[in-house]
Amino acid sequence: DAVLTQTPLSLPVTLGQPASISCRSSQSLVHNDGHTYLSWLQQRPGQPPRPLIYKISNRFSGVPDRFSGSGAGTHFTLTISRVEAEDVAIYYCTQFTQFPRTFGQGTKVEI
Amino acid sequence: EVQLAQSGTEVKKAGESLRISCRASGYSFNNYWLAWVRQTPGKGLEWVGIIFPGESKITYSPAFQGQVAISADSDLRVAYLQWSRVKASDTATYYCAKVQFSGSWSLHETFDVWGQGTMVAVSS
Repeated sequence: DAVLTQTPLSLPVTLGQPASISCRSSQSLVHNDGHTYLSWLQQRPGQPPRPLIYKISNRFSGVPDRFSGSGAGTHFTLTISRVEAEDVAIYYCTQFTQFPRTFGQGTKVEI
Repeated sequence: EVQLAQSGTEVKKAGESLRISCRASGYSFNNYWLAWVRQTPGKGLEWVGIIFPGESKITYSPAFQGQVAISADSDLRVAYLQWSRVKASDTATYYCAKVQFSGSWSLHETFDVWGQGTMVAVSS
């Protein structure tokens, strides 16, 4: 299985300041078709996960542009350019390149 | 609007059978992969398996193979996750999630819509 390791697991942030979360995979997430199926999810308390980013850096419709994704191969990053109060949540990376699909442990972003 | 409406909270005793459901609306049910994901405080998010209703293609995570069964009713536009005998370790919240793009070749695409979750509590 492709093990996804997120750091940090807890991220204290300051409103208006940037924040970054790292996701490292134990195996390359580049698929045979050339795409890298690495996504990011946001989960607020009591809610289901919300898709934010797919294929490393593509934002879903409605996701604020302060969220961005980057990386390649086995190392990926989610960046929030200026943290807002509504960004308090747990963030997960997840991969769709290999079976079984796997998720990172989650990073709790708190003010 | 694309929506996945899941069945309500289940409270069971170990050894009982259980089936939870995910009703889809707003898209062509038969043409999109639909997955089940388990969430627990201890293990986080875990991918259970996935079904393509239009062709009855199903793939399970090795960790869940033989432990659960995934099925779908295309007429009702409902996907199911079922257990013949639940265990205390099955206690979790279960989500269904739809793959972003249509077609059975879109198996590697991400999830774009999630259900609200079904809480399952199993007592021993």
